[in-house]
Amino acid sequence: EAGVVQSPRYKIIEKKQPVAFWCNPISGHNTLYWYRQNLGQGPELLIRYENEEAVDDSQLPKDRFSAERLKGVDSTLKIQPAELGDSAVYLCASSRDRGQETQYFGPGTRLLVL
Amino acid sequence: GNSVTQMEGPVTLSEEAFLTINCTYTATGYPSLFWYVQYPGEGLQLLLKATKADDKGSNKGFEATYRKETTSFHLEKGSVQVSDSAVYFCALSDKANAGKSTFGDGTTLTVKP
Repeated sequence: EAGVVQSPRYKIIEKKQPVAFWCNPISGHNTLYWYRQNLGQGPELLIRYENEEAVDDSQLPKDRFSAERLKGVDSTLKIQPAELGDSAVYLCASSRDRGQETQYFGPGTRLLVL
Repeated sequence: GNSVTQMEGPVTLSEEAFLTINCTYTATGYPSLFWYVQYPGEGLQLLLKATKADDKGSNKGFEATYRKETTSFHLEKGSVQVSDSAVYFCALSDKANAGKSTFGDGTTLTVKP
């Protein structure tokens, strides 16, 4: 079974530029999560999807961050415009459904904003 | 809100030493508890979990017991190996809040031969 796929693995941009991250969850997993992980800290949830519906986006900075999960499979997380403080690792995870609490993580996208 | 507090690292041990990484939590209700491990260059992966009080999770020689009375879920291993070097994250899933997860800040373990 293929794991969670994320791309790109690394991204360096200048502040005020836009950036997008892509995630392909494990086949058959209905729940998809985006986390931000700052250096030396644990993952912090940005948004959670049940199929194509965003059911928890309370921690997503909506002025500059947006996400979508078309057709309830792949997902894209976008930042526009990026700020220096957005430098972090962005993790995508999936689980079979919200009752299946074990999450499967992708390798993450390491973003550096200069 | 919910929170998870882990023992601060880094932790450095010699091979075959005993490992304990402390984890305590604050949550309303009765969450499920997890330990995830992140090896260098890889994503987080589940190490073990426990879903109710007094349950013991175990995997790869690691163990942790869900202690409701002390709100703890300490990770232990009797004899660590160099290959156990990684970052370990304690986490909870709030069943009363649709499985919302909270993670600790991670503990870096280095095992020297």
